[in-house]
Amino acid sequence: EAEVAQSPRYKITEKSQAVAFWCDPISGHATLYWYRQILGQGPELLVQFQDESVVDDSQLPKDRFSAERLKGVDSTLKIQPAELGDSAMYLCASRLTGARETQYFGPGTRLLVL
Amino acid sequence: KQEVTQIPAALSVPEGENLVLNCSFTDSAIYNLQWFRQDPGKGLTSLLLIQSSQREQTSGRLNASLDKSSGRSTLYIAASQPGDSATYLCAVMDAGNMLTFGGGTRLMVKP
Repeated sequence: EAEVAQSPRYKITEKSQAVAFWCDPISGHATLYWYRQILGQGPELLVQFQDESVVDDSQLPKDRFSAERLKGVDSTLKIQPAELGDSAMYLCASRLTGARETQYFGPGTRLLVL
Repeated sequence: KQEVTQIPAALSVPEGENLVLNCSFTDSAIYNLQWFRQDPGKGLTSLLLIQSSQREQTSGRLNASLDKSSGRSTLYIAASQPGDSATYLCAVMDAGNMLTFGGGTRLMVKP
C-alpha cells in the first residue's frame, strides 16, 4: 500500500541553526499538508498546497518558516533560524482532490532544538 | 474559529472493558469528522470517517457516532485489548477541507 514518506525521522539541532524536512506524498495526491504537533497536543495545520500552489499558510510563522512544492509533487519545510519552541513533531499528509477523501499521514519528523 | 475538545485526556482500563471516548466541537458547519489513532512517536492512522449526513460508522470493534447539531461525537471501543493502547484523535473537516484536531485521549489498556 502506498504511503507518505518523510525524512529525516529525527533531527536534533541547536537554536539559530537552519533545518529542513522533506515529504513525498502518495502518488497522484494533489493536496499536501504540513502540520506541527507539540507533545501532548493535537496537530495544527501550518500550510496546505494544491499542486504547487499554497492554499492556506495563515498559521505558518513566515518570519522563520518557509514551505515549497515546486513541481507539485514532493515538498520541503524549512525553519531558519530554529528556536527552542520549535521542538515538535512535524507531520506531512496528502489526499486525493475530492471532498470525501481522507488525509493520509506520514510517520513524521521529530525535531529537538537545543 | 472551530475548537475541538476531547474528554478524557487520559484513560486507563483493564483488558476486556468496553469504553467510550468523547469529542465535542464548537461549529456544527462541518463536512466530516474523523477518528485517528497515533502510536507513540508515530504518524496518524485513520480509523473511521463520518460524513456530516451520516450518524455512525463501524469498523470491527470500533463504532463512531456523530450528532452534528449538538457538536458531539463518540468513539466506542468494544472488548478493549492491550494493542488498543494509543492516543486517539478526533478531527473535523470544514468546507475548505481544513482539519481541526482535538488534543487527543491517551488510552492505556492493561493486560
